[in-house]
Amino acid sequence: AQTVTQSQPEMSVQEAETVTLSCTYDTSESDYYLFWYKQPPSRQMILVIRQEAYKQQNATENRFSVNFQKAAKSFSLKISDSQLGDAAMYFCAYSVNYGQNFVFGPGTRLSVLP
Amino acid sequence: DAMVIQNPRYQVTQFGKPVTLSCSQTLNHNVMYWYQQKSSQAPKLLFHYYDKDFNNEADTPDNFQSRRPNTSFCFLDIRSPGLGDAAMYLCATSGSSGGGLELFFGEGSRLTVL
Repeated sequence: AQTVTQSQPEMSVQEAETVTLSCTYDTSESDYYLFWYKQPPSRQMILVIRQEAYKQQNATENRFSVNFQKAAKSFSLKISDSQLGDAAMYFCAYSVNYGQNFVFGPGTRLSVLP
Repeated sequence: DAMVIQNPRYQVTQFGKPVTLSCSQTLNHNVMYWYQQKSSQAPKLLFHYYDKDFNNEADTPDNFQSRRPNTSFCFLDIRSPGLGDAAMYLCATSGSSGGGLELFFGEGSRLTVL
């Protein structure tokens, strides 16, 4: 069974600084997708960034980038120039290509300090 | 524009009194999901529909049922809510035209059981 682990229940970062959230996963599949989702307090969950496992190049979306290490089964999220609006729960998630099931990690609560 | 709409946002029910939560989508997505999320935990998949095909997770209690009368709507029925069913219920959708498609979430329905 696939599992997703986030070892940091809580993190904090100063505004304008950089923070990295960790995620590891376990799978026997070779073709899969990894995601970071953001869930602000009392608001809906939204996609931050997505990575295809067959792509070696790390995905980036503006201030958000990932460090994808396929052999190590590691998928960390780096947030640069942190903003107050980045404060949220961040969930790492996994899905198998053409599968319909998404497996979520336990989440990391990120606080951004002014 | 809201794309996945859940109603009601807040539902209070009494122990054992049936409750129905609704979800509608304007994305014309084939797949609709119901997740249960307890405070600051990862979303837990209850079941999902691929078109009209219903897929129940093995550990979803029989107390939870779902209906999808058409592409746009999906309902979660909790037949006899217990105190342990108090949670946020998230509806999500995804397309089916390839792998790695993101989930689009609604804002959730928070269920309180008295």
